[in-house]
Amino acid sequence: DSGVTQTPKHLITATGQRVTLRCSPRSGDLSVYWYQQSLDQGLQFLIQYYNGEERAKGNILERFSAQQFPDLHSELNLSSLELGDSALYFCASSVDLGVGNTIYFGEGSWLTVV
Amino acid sequence: AQTVTQSQPEMSVQEAETVTLSCTYDTSESDYYLFWYKQPPSRQMILVIRQEAYKQQNATENRFSVNFQKAAKSFSLKISDSQLGDAAMYFCAYRADPTYGNKLVFGAGTILRVKS
Repeated sequence: DSGVTQTPKHLITATGQRVTLRCSPRSGDLSVYWYQQSLDQGLQFLIQYYNGEERAKGNILERFSAQQFPDLHSELNLSSLELGDSALYFCASSVDLGVGNTIYFGEGSWLTVV
Repeated sequence: AQTVTQSQPEMSVQEAETVTLSCTYDTSESDYYLFWYKQPPSRQMILVIRQEAYKQQNATENRFSVNFQKAAKSFSLKISDSQLGDAAMYFCAYRADPTYGNKLVFGAGTILRVKS
């Protein structure tokens, strides 16, 4: 158990809908990362938050947004869903911005868009 | 831009044998970290080993060791005495200075199959 908690574990929704994925980082971790793992694209970095502020942005679609709350949990919002958004979405956390710090991954949220 | 390349989509090894997974990366940074993550069928991402670019000595964790060639920008993972539980997807990853965002950049992964 990495200590990073993601909910829901599985989600099936229809095209055009909106979903919210939730992440609770490890206790004391200030930095949260979101990654998307599709079958044919490996692990793609979406966005990073540090202590409530956006720190880095990757290949995140405009239909997607995220935020980190004062209690440090984070949410990834996916809207106007398309079939191609079906993927495993990982949340990960680390204690701070130190490059050598371990990044711990949650078990992921499986999103299926039908 | 930092990129990580894993040129072996799939590898096989006999139980108890040794296997090496390859990884190359491209960066202009002088200080960075390299990682190998294991993703078993459960899809959990598990850190296997890490290497700091400034350290000459290759990292070792039990049966797992790396061959880090900084000049060649190569970072291979050697698994000794392979076990059935080692069967998984292995990802090589790079992480650099927080000024540029200290996210992990992953390679495409190598599927490792272990034969009994």
